[in-house]
Amino acid sequence: GAVVSQHPSRVICKSGTSVKIECRSLDFQATTMFWYRQFPKQSLMLMATSNEGSKATYEQGVEKDKFLINHASLTLSTLTVTSAHPEDSSFYICSARGPHEAFFGQGTRLTVV
Amino acid sequence: AQKVTQAQTEISVVEKEDVTLDCVYETRDTTYYLFWYKQPPSGELVFLIRRNSFDEQNEISGRYSWNFQKSTSSFNFTITASQVVDSAVYFCALLIQGAQKLVFGQGTRLTINP
Repeated sequence: GAVVSQHPSRVICKSGTSVKIECRSLDFQATTMFWYRQFPKQSLMLMATSNEGSKATYEQGVEKDKFLINHASLTLSTLTVTSAHPEDSSFYICSARGPHEAFFGQGTRLTVV
Repeated sequence: AQKVTQAQTEISVVEKEDVTLDCVYETRDTTYYLFWYKQPPSGELVFLIRRNSFDEQNEISGRYSWNFQKSTSSFNFTITASQVVDSAVYFCALLIQGAQKLVFGQGTRLTINP
């Protein structure tokens, strides 16, 4: 079946630095990818929809200058958390749409210290 | 508007018991898809099943079974003879045909005790 690979699985960074998270669809082309954030013991919160070759669509309340999304190819979308702060610490997970289902990456646990 | 409700926040049972996770959805669209995902402690979401709105046939896969009833807008998930490895958070989700975004329920944390 389709596989989505997300990297890194865990990252610790210092406040003020930027962190890039990659999401790759390994065996199908994904024109659309999604980025979610999940707080402990909560559901997935959609942050943005990433469209290949165009600007991402951000959900209300998500700062697009804070969370930069690039979808430069049909198999790769990246999320960059800029000038990270401790409150950005969370679990981030990407998803790629197939024809009728969504496949998820392994997730990235970001800790900002 | 679309909505998915998983009223059970946490369930805890003893191994080998049967357990049912409830999912109720809301939509005015006639064509849609329903999903169940498992999220083990590692964090990855594991796809379990997809059901389209025109297929009300119940499905069984090993110890897992799903009961889709459009009359009550429910898509419940039953694990028979539960095992410790079934411990995870389970999410029910809804996708409207033509839409891009999955709508997730709040999830049910299932704990299977030995």
